[in-house]
Amino acid sequence: GDSVTQMEGPVTLSEEAFLTINCTYTATGYPSLFWYVQYPGEGLQLLLKATKADDKGSNKGFEATYRKETTSFHLEKGSVQVSDSAVYFCALSDRGTGGFKTIFGAGTRLFVKA
Amino acid sequence: DTAVSQTPKYLVTQMGNDKSIKCEQNLGHDTMYWYKQDSKKFLKIMFSYNNKELIINETVPNRFSPKSPDKAHLNLHINSLELGDSAVYFCASSHTGTGSTDTQYFGPGTRLTVL
Repeated sequence: GDSVTQMEGPVTLSEEAFLTINCTYTATGYPSLFWYVQYPGEGLQLLLKATKADDKGSNKGFEATYRKETTSFHLEKGSVQVSDSAVYFCALSDRGTGGFKTIFGAGTRLFVKA
Repeated sequence: DTAVSQTPKYLVTQMGNDKSIKCEQNLGHDTMYWYKQDSKKFLKIMFSYNNKELIINETVPNRFSPKSPDKAHLNLHINSLELGDSAVYFCASSHTGTGSTDTQYFGPGTRLTVL
């Protein structure tokens, strides 16, 4: 079945450091790929998405590229801020005969120190 | 304007009680979900409803019963609460029609504590 694996946290960085959070997936079809972010005390919200191979999703300085050949969708940001401290979830959504099935990774907690 | 709202935000109750959590979305979406998030932030889908019909019913105890009175509402009723039910419960909604990608919109969560 489909699955999403993302790097374990927590990840602790200093402000202005470069961020990478790895995410790989397995899927039988052609899924859309997502990164969601959860700030403390809030629900998840969409950060970015990509719907086909080689698409790049970007938002708020974050980027991720849909790599079909390596089945990956790694999240990157060139210079993190304290306000980026949150839990980040990689997810895939695949349309099957019964409708969509969305699968979330286990989440990666990011701490950014001033 | 709140897109997906849940009530209550916090719920503290004794073991054995019955409680309900309500969810409403004003996005015009056709599909709604309930998720359970544990203390390690792991997110597990519980139920999915499409146009008021149950689509996904993952392995959850039958003490949990979702009810969808209309496309904009999906409530969760829990009978005979147990300590292990303590978690944060999230409602979400999405559009799953032709051309959509199932981007999900989450409510703020309900933190349930069973004593």
